[in-house]
Amino acid sequence: GAVVSQHPSRVICKSGTSVKIECRSLDFQATTMFWYRQFPKKSLMLMATSNEGSKATYEQGVEKDKFLINHASLTLSTLTVTSAHPEDSSFYICSASDGVSSYNEQFFGPGTRLTVL
Amino acid sequence: GQNIDQPTEMTATEGAIVQINCTYQTSGFNGLFWYQQHAGEAPTFLSYNVLDGLEEKGRFSSFLSRSKGYSYLLLKELQMKDSASYLCAVRDRDYKLSFGAGTTVTVRA
Repeated sequence: GAVVSQHPSRVICKSGTSVKIECRSLDFQATTMFWYRQFPKKSLMLMATSNEGSKATYEQGVEKDKFLINHASLTLSTLTVTSAHPEDSSFYICSASDGVSSYNEQFFGPGTRLTVL
Repeated sequence: GQNIDQPTEMTATEGAIVQINCTYQTSGFNGLFWYQQHAGEAPTFLSYNVLDGLEEKGRFSSFLSRSKGYSYLLLKELQMKDSASYLCAVRDRDYKLSFGAGTTVTVRA
């Protein structure tokens, strides 16, 4: 149980285009979803936290108009990187929490590798 | 916020034991997690500590001292497949995780 999927796993796009990444909890209802970004050989940095049906809470330094997050249902959150530029190239990972698991832990998706040319 | 420190790299021999230390400074401690991450993949859960002491789970054990802001992950009977990055993550009262930079463990034959 507690499986989280992400789609796509890899995406290459041209500078200036927008890219949408989906995060789904497959066998549980995710009351909270988190979006992280990880640069090569660096740790995961939390970008934002989203609760179903409400606006995402962004971490300091993360532009909410640049990284649009929608958490429309208890099993789906999307991250849209708008007007992507090469510096947005990174590994984007989502996680989901159901609020009732034994450690109230986050379950991580497999990540999306974004490359902006 | 959280300030989390762990060594950058460690190397050990197959069959040996390695201990990865993690120190943290927190504004509201609500548990410490250890994750394993292979290159290009998502982190996978290894252990969780919220009370002081040792948690043992097969070949992996994790220790926590809240008063010292210190944890370690102990990997026993190292196997080649244990070569990976190990992430220490501290959770705050808002259930947000802050990650250390990760320790790359290389297991040699």
